[in-house]
Amino acid sequence: GAGVSQSPRYKVTKRGQDVALRCDPISGHVSLYWYRQALGQGPEFLTYFNYEAQQDKSGLPNDRFSAERPEGSISTLTIQRTEQRDSAMYRCASSLQRGDTDTQYFGPGTRLTVL
Amino acid sequence: KNEVEQSPQNLTAQEGEFITINCSYSVGISALHWLQQHPGGGIVSLFMLSSGKKKHGRLIATINIQEKHSSLHITASHPRDSAVYICAAGTSYGKLTFGQGTILTVHP
Repeated sequence: GAGVSQSPRYKVTKRGQDVALRCDPISGHVSLYWYRQALGQGPEFLTYFNYEAQQDKSGLPNDRFSAERPEGSISTLTIQRTEQRDSAMYRCASSLQRGDTDTQYFGPGTRLTVL
Repeated sequence: KNEVEQSPQNLTAQEGEFITINCSYSVGISALHWLQQHPGGGIVSLFMLSSGKKKHGRLIATINIQEKHSSLHITASHPRDSAVYICAAGTSYGKLTFGQGTILTVHP
């Protein structure tokens, strides 16, 4: 079946613009995670959803970042008033149940460049 | 000090060599994950373990819970094994705390 998909794959935006990044998890997967990966670094956790409930948003860097998963499937990560330091690869992952007992499947990522 | 530390950061090997990548963590975990990041950027889960040892093909992962240490071994390495290998501590509900990754290059 289809894996985790993300769109767009690449996004170039000007500083100050808002961007919305989409994640389409594997069908039926309950848990959804957003991570951010700077060039040459390991990923870092942003936020976690269990169905539609955002149960941990401790990794979101500031209040310009928000995420939603209104129907427990597709999720959107929104960055308002983008800054150059927001440039990174944004990945989502999903797992069938809780990720501590199930494998996480990663999407291909969205490469965000803020000029 | 990072919560998850990997060593070495870079590793170069000749085809056929036995490879070991180490991971130490300071957080409590539900499971320790090993992931592979391909040169094209995709991330694939290799292992998830909470005790003992797991083997898949030429890859072996071990964990010592008391010492908070895990190792990933590759036997008979091949150039196609060249990738970034990342360990991650999986805490409650699957939140992953990642190491910085080990860049492995295997030469023919």
